[in-house]
Amino acid sequence: EAQVTQNPRYLITVTGKKLTVTCSQNMNHEYMSWYRQDPGLGLRQIYYSMNVEVTDKGDVPEGYKVSRKEKRNFPLILESPSPNQTSLYFCASSLSFGGGWNEQYFGPGTRLTVT
Amino acid sequence: QKEVEQNSGPLSVPEGAIASLNCTYSDRGSQSFFWYRQYSGKSPELIMSIYSNGDKEDGRFTAQLNKASQYVSLLIRDSQPSDSATYLCAVRRRDQFYFGTGTSLTVIP
Repeated sequence: EAQVTQNPRYLITVTGKKLTVTCSQNMNHEYMSWYRQDPGLGLRQIYYSMNVEVTDKGDVPEGYKVSRKEKRNFPLILESPSPNQTSLYFCASSLSFGGGWNEQYFGPGTRLTVT
Repeated sequence: QKEVEQNSGPLSVPEGAIASLNCTYSDRGSQSFFWYRQYSGKSPELIMSIYSNGDKEDGRFTAQLNKASQYVSLLIRDSQPSDSATYLCAVRRRDQFYFGTGTSLTVIP
């Protein structure tokens, strides 16, 4: 089954404790991205990657890191989480199309709470 | 100015009616346009993508794009209670995607 998976689905942690949220897709998509979703603010792009070893900042990259060492995986790293990073996080992937990127497919989401 | 704007609603329609959802975008360089449906606590799922001016129909859904007016709409015909969800409009500009905050739709049986 074609899918995007994320782990963990739920995470409660404390301020300053480094964490990684994993994302993997089995559709051979070049493009992968991380979003956070907050009430009233919608989905905002954190980082995106157009291929292995190619990453770029989205609209809200502060406090996050990513890496893309393999095509299928795109982990999101919070080196020192803070309470304002409490949010619902989605990973998404997309295939190239016509010189751009096609529609995105989303993972199930990770609900992160930082206390 | 927000990249993508949607009326947050809530929008309520009776079962069997047509639901009309609207979205405007600010950058004329936007290249691709998408509608997603999101149930509470779930991930967005694609309803339709549209790339050129005009209408695109898929079952009960019709997307309309007007690049001159920077406007995208989604019509849902014969609305069903299962259509009750938040509808997200998204645009792609170069390598980034931008989402509206969503319109909440309730279909009343």
